[in-house]
Amino acid sequence: GQQLNQSPQSMFIQEGEDVSMNCTSSSIFNTWLWYKQDPGEGPVLLIALYKAGELTSNGRLTAQFGITRKDSFLNISASIPSDVGIYFCAGRLIQGAQKLVFGQGTRLTINP
Amino acid sequence: KAGVTQTPRYLIKTRGQQVTLSCSPISGHRSVSWYQQTPGQGLQFLFEYFSETQRNKGNFPGRFSGRQFSNSRSEMNVSTLELGDSALYLCASSLGSLNTGELFFGEGSRLTVL
Repeated sequence: GQQLNQSPQSMFIQEGEDVSMNCTSSSIFNTWLWYKQDPGEGPVLLIALYKAGELTSNGRLTAQFGITRKDSFLNISASIPSDVGIYFCAGRLIQGAQKLVFGQGTRLTINP
Repeated sequence: KAGVTQTPRYLIKTRGQQVTLSCSPISGHRSVSWYQQTPGQGLQFLFEYFSETQRNKGNFPGRFSGRQFSNSRSEMNVSTLELGDSALYLCASSLGSLNTGELFFGEGSRLTVL
């Protein structure tokens, strides 16, 4: 089936550092969604992207819809302890049933 | 505006039993989709319901089933439980079909099969 490759799988950073993660695929998507999941909770939508090349910010978070429609990245600037969690990308395929496909997640750990 | 509500939050079952999980979507949302989340497999799509009709289905055995009611509330059922069914089951709602719009998740129902 369709696969989204999300990297890195985990990150260990110092508070205040910037973070970058991305999702890539061989398939073409018409939507990219980025979610954050805290332990014991459901994923919370952070940013939604609908156009190739689109760059959208939400506070310290910035995400971009790749120009090829096959990738997206999420950046977090000046990380703080509450940024800890698992970040998921989700892409909606441009063909077929257009269901959402999720990446495997990036686990972010921050050392104070 | 209330979010997506899932019940129960936690439950423990034994092999061979069956389980029913419930999801109430955000008011006005007509689409409900279900996902299974395990540490090794990530988020796996189970199925989506829109206006009481199953619109999409993932690659899960027939032991996994669901339905949606006229008020958009949804239930999923797993029969003849296996140890591997232990997971966090997430429900998500969206305004339109899964084909459009953004997905909003509930907190999940954590199922443990002993």
